[in-house]
Amino acid sequence: AQRVTQPEKLLSVFKGAPVELKCNYSYSGSPELFWYVQYSRQRLQLLLRHISRESIKGFTADLNKGETSFHLKKPFAQEEDSAMYYCALRRNSGNTPLVFGKGTRLSVIA
Amino acid sequence: NAGVMQNPRHLVRRRGQEARLRCSPMKGHSHVYWYRQLPEEGLKFMVYLQKENIIDESGMPKERFSAEFPKEGPSILRIQQVVRGDSAAYFCASSPGHPSEQYFGPGTRLTVT
Repeated sequence: AQRVTQPEKLLSVFKGAPVELKCNYSYSGSPELFWYVQYSRQRLQLLLRHISRESIKGFTADLNKGETSFHLKKPFAQEEDSAMYYCALRRNSGNTPLVFGKGTRLSVIA
Repeated sequence: NAGVMQNPRHLVRRRGQEARLRCSPMKGHSHVYWYRQLPEEGLKFMVYLQKENIIDESGMPKERFSAEFPKEGPSILRIQQVVRGDSAAYFCASSPGHPSEQYFGPGTRLTVT
């Protein structure tokens, strides 16, 4: 079975501090991992996918297959980063559904 | 492109009534996914449809729930004889016809009184 775990329900950091949102997954095959973000009053949108290896809005995430983790990191948090962040997994075999974690609410304090 | 549209945004139903939730995918997208989010939970997959076909309904409750995506018109998620436990946010996502990002709608918040 596939499962995504985000251990922190809420994470508060000061502006300018580093941020790490944790995500661990369980899946026996080779998954595709994503981070989605939902800003206040906006719809869920894709932030990162591991196969792109991009940095979006200063965020990066590296897939660690040994630790089955896909933690989201940013060196210096900004107030506009405050949002709900969801880690998601998809079986790497086509247009399959996403499996989501419960989400972490990031609050960046000025 | 207006993005994925869902209506209504909020729906209130009494126990025993029917709820119909609509999802219009992005232009050119033929794949639709429905997810449900209960309070304090992540989004949980319900059903995956392509035009006129149900591809995967493994997340759909066996009773009272059904979904369709006709050749013309929006995808419909139908919940018959709603109960309080059906109160949740229902999200629709669409994608084009190859492994790709899923684009989400704003969701429909269903409240059963």
